[in-house]
Amino acid sequence: RKEVEQDPGPFNVPEGATVAFNCTYSNSASQSFFWYRQDCRKEPKLLMSVYSSGNEDGRFTAQLNRASQYISLLIRDSKLSDSATYLCVVLPSGGYNKLIFGAGTRLAVHP
Amino acid sequence: DAGVTQSPTHLIKTRGQQVTLRCSPKSGHDTVSWYQQALGQGPQFIFQYYEEEERQRGNFPDRFSGHQFPNYSSELNVNALLLGDSALYLCASSLTASGYEQYFGPGTRLTVT
Repeated sequence: RKEVEQDPGPFNVPEGATVAFNCTYSNSASQSFFWYRQDCRKEPKLLMSVYSSGNEDGRFTAQLNRASQYISLLIRDSKLSDSATYLCVVLPSGGYNKLIFGAGTRLAVHP
Repeated sequence: DAGVTQSPTHLIKTRGQQVTLRCSPKSGHDTVSWYQQALGQGPQFIFQYYEEEERQRGNFPDRFSGHQFPNYSSELNVNALLLGDSALYLCASSLTASGYEQYFGPGTRLTVT
């Protein structure tokens, strides 16, 4: 079993749509969780951290369920510029910043 | 303030050859991590350097080695290249004392023929 698993995608949605990505992780001792965004042939960039209480940044909402070892990302009112690959990332406890990435879910927003 | 830089941007090598990739961390950062990203996959952790020592290593063979210099810059060396080593190699820098946030460089795209 992979340490971090994501919806395979791709997701093709029209502008203005709401889209949700899911992710599960296998190590219950993991301490921190993130969503990264990666544009085609570019480096990953931190989109947001994920907290148990849930957190929101504009149109983006992230949720963490530690009991189910499940992470989600919701994007509301999708824009063309949201087209990218979204990577679910886990930091294991005692991991010295060794990030564990999922394979990513590709999102394509069309007019 | 320059971010993380990597060189070269692209390179093409032949099976069996050796390659060295370079990374300069973001100003003020003391830790460098290297990741390999194959096409269609997420980045995979190779190793991390801190205080010129390899602090942690992922599941990569000894053909992959590295170094960190006193100015915190780092090199990744790969010997006896295989076709499967073709990937985007990403360097990420961070400041150990400040926690987890890592900043990624643009990567080096290696093609092995």
